[in-house]
Amino acid sequence: DAKTTQPNSMESNEEEPVHLPCNHSTISGTDYIHWYRQLPSQGPEYVIHGLTSNVNNRMASLAIAEDRKSSTLILHRATLRDAAVYYCILRDVYGQNFVFGPGTRLSVLP
Amino acid sequence: GAVVSQHPSWVICKSGTSVKIECRSLDFQATTMFWYRQFPKQSLMLMATSNEGSKATYEQGVEKDKFLINHASLTLSTLTVTSAHPEDSSFYICSARPFGDINSPLHFGNGTRLTVT
Repeated sequence: DAKTTQPNSMESNEEEPVHLPCNHSTISGTDYIHWYRQLPSQGPEYVIHGLTSNVNNRMASLAIAEDRKSSTLILHRATLRDAAVYYCILRDVYGQNFVFGPGTRLSVLP
Repeated sequence: GAVVSQHPSWVICKSGTSVKIECRSLDFQATTMFWYRQFPKQSLMLMATSNEGSKATYEQGVEKDKFLINHASLTLSTLTVTSAHPEDSSFYICSARPFGDINSPLHFGNGTRLTVT
């Protein structure tokens, strides 16, 4: 699986938007971009995934660069419950498992 | 949505004993489940891929005789840590994906915190 690079940590104020970046310059044409988050002492939770087009769901939005070498997870209005480690992962459409990098630890300030 | 249940959520055992952790897909079938281990302040590391009806595939450096995996049905995989030692203390997490849906995301259990004394 191609590698992703994320900032180690980010901070946000409550009720403000958060943009979490991810670089994946070696992405292949069949790699999907997945985002998961992990709250303390819990298993990872699916957030969103996409291939080429931007995606929206009830949790977040995923903005994918035109060349697909980077993407941004957007939380439109951060809450204290969004404080977690966010993982950006690439997975080939025929791939099975995920390879987790260090992720970005998001802190949300009241 | 798809739910993966893991049991127990935490366990404390004495050194030398064995511990079994269960992973169940509650509302879908999974021919493949994955077992991860996570040490404090670190990311998840894949230990093995559990295949229903066949032998598990272990990642390099993971002892298959120490971490026994059984995937007896399409909804249940178990991980047994045999002759546990304090260095096996960790957070163990399983995941699964609905059978036949290659575009589905992985669904994770809530993890089992193992403490070996």
